[in-house]
Amino acid sequence: DIQMTQSPSSLSASVGDRVTITCRASQVISNYLAWFQQKPGKAPKSLIYAASTLQSGVPSKFSGSGSGTDFALTISSLQPEDFATYYCQQYYSYPFTFGPGTKVDIK
Amino acid sequence: QVQLEESGGGVVQPGRSLRLSCAAAGFTFTSYGMHWVRQAPGKGPEWVAVISSDGGDKYYGDSVKGRFTISRDNTKNTLYLQMNSLRDEDTAIYYCAKDSRRISGYPQGWGQGTLVTVSS
Repeated sequence: DIQMTQSPSSLSASVGDRVTITCRASQVISNYLAWFQQKPGKAPKSLIYAASTLQSGVPSKFSGSGSGTDFALTISSLQPEDFATYYCQQYYSYPFTFGPGTKVDIK
Repeated sequence: QVQLEESGGGVVQPGRSLRLSCAAAGFTFTSYGMHWVRQAPGKGPEWVAVISSDGGDKYYGDSVKGRFTISRDNTKNTLYLQMNSLRDEDTAIYYCAKDSRRISGYPQGWGQGTLVTVSS
C-alpha cells in the first residue's frame, strides 16, 4: 500500500499569512493527488485534484503543486474561514490512502 | 448540485452485521463511481471501498476486505455498504462520496455521514 505523510502535523498562523502544507507519497503516484479541507463536525470538502487543479467553486487563494512523490498545498492569504484540517489523498492505486492531516489554527 | 444522504448507522454489537444506504440526487448516478470513506473519532479519513458506475468493478481497503461488500442499485440511485463481522475498530462516521468519474477518480462530493458504533 502507498503511505502518505504530511508536514507539519499542525501549524498556527495569522489572518493574511501565506501557508504551505506538504504531502509525500511512499512511491511515485504521478499527479493522482487530491486535497481536502475538513472543519469540525463536517464532512471533508474537495479542494484540489490532479495535484494542481482547483475544484469548481474553490477560491483561487488555494493552489496545489507537485508530481511524483512530493506535493504541496498553499493558501495565499489565510482567512478566518480557512482554519481547518487539511488532508491529502492518493488515488493512483488501490487501496486509496489519506495523509494524517495538518491542522491549521489561529495564532 | 450533488446531494448524498447516508442512513442505516447505529449501535451494533461486535460480530453482528449492519447495512448502510446512501441516496443520491442532483447528478446522473449511473455515470459515476461511488466511494465509502470512514472516519473514526478524532482520526483522519480512511478509504473503505469504491464501486464503478455500472457496479461491475469493486475495490476494498485492507481492513474491510472479506467483511464488507459495496453495491449499488442504479434504478433507485442508491449505494449500499453491507458490513459483516463488525469489530470495535469499525466504529466511525461513514461517508458516501461521488467519484469524479466512472471509477478510479477521487471522492469529489461527500454526504454528511452516518455514525456506526460497534460496542457490546
